[in-house]
Amino acid sequence: KQEVTQIPAALSVPEGENLVLNCSFTDSAIYNLQWFRQDPGKGLTSLLLIQSSQREQTSGRLNASLDKSSGRSTLYIAASQPGDSATYLCAPEGRAGTALIFGKGTTLSVSS
Amino acid sequence: NAGVMQNPRHLVRRRGQEARLRCSPMKGHSHVYWYRQLPEEGLKFMVYLQKENIIDESGMPKERFSAEFPKEGPSILRIQQVVRGDSAAYFCASSEEKNTEAFFGQGTRLTVV
Repeated sequence: KQEVTQIPAALSVPEGENLVLNCSFTDSAIYNLQWFRQDPGKGLTSLLLIQSSQREQTSGRLNASLDKSSGRSTLYIAASQPGDSATYLCAPEGRAGTALIFGKGTTLSVSS
Repeated sequence: NAGVMQNPRHLVRRRGQEARLRCSPMKGHSHVYWYRQLPEEGLKFMVYLQKENIIDESGMPKERFSAEFPKEGPSILRIQQVVRGDSAAYFCASSEEKNTEAFFGQGTRLTVV
C-alpha cells in the first residue's frame, strides 16, 4: 500500500527566498507523480506532472525532480512570493487501475 | 473547456438524509476519481470510475456509499443515511487517459447537521 510523506508539514519564509519541499513514497513502482497546490477552501490546482521516465520538470519558478528508485520527489520554488502561500501536495500514481495517493501536504506561508 | 465541474458547492443535510454529489469531468475525459478531505487531514482516495465501470473502489466505505459514472451525464457520488462523520469536502478529478494529468474540481462541502 502506497504511503506518502511530506516534509516539512509547515514552512514560513520571507519573500524572495528559494525553498525546497520534500516528498517521499514507499512504493517506487509508480507511473508518474503530480504536484498540486491547494488554497484554503478551494480545490487543487495541478502544478507539474513528472512521468516515471523523467528526472525533472519545470514550469516558471517551479522545478520538480523525481528519484523513483529512492522514492523521493522535491519541489523547488525560486524567489518565493506571497502569492505562493498555499498547501502543496504531492501525489504519486501507481500501476494501472490505481489512483493518485496524497500526502498531507506542506503548508507554505510567504511573508512580504 | 470549463474544467471539472462539481455541484453543489455546498450541501447541508440532516442526519439520515441522502446526499448526492455530482461531477462533470473535463470535455474528453473518461476517467473520474472521487476523494474525501476531512478537516485537518489529507485527501483520501474513495473510488475510480471509467465510463459505466467501477475500476477501483477500495477507498469507499462498504455501507451507505455508492458511485456511478453513466454513459451520459455526470458522475454521481451518493451517500445514504448521512451521519455527522460524513461532513467533509468531497473532490472529484478527471483525466483523459489513465496515467495522464489529473484535474480537480472545486469540491462539494457537505455538512451534516
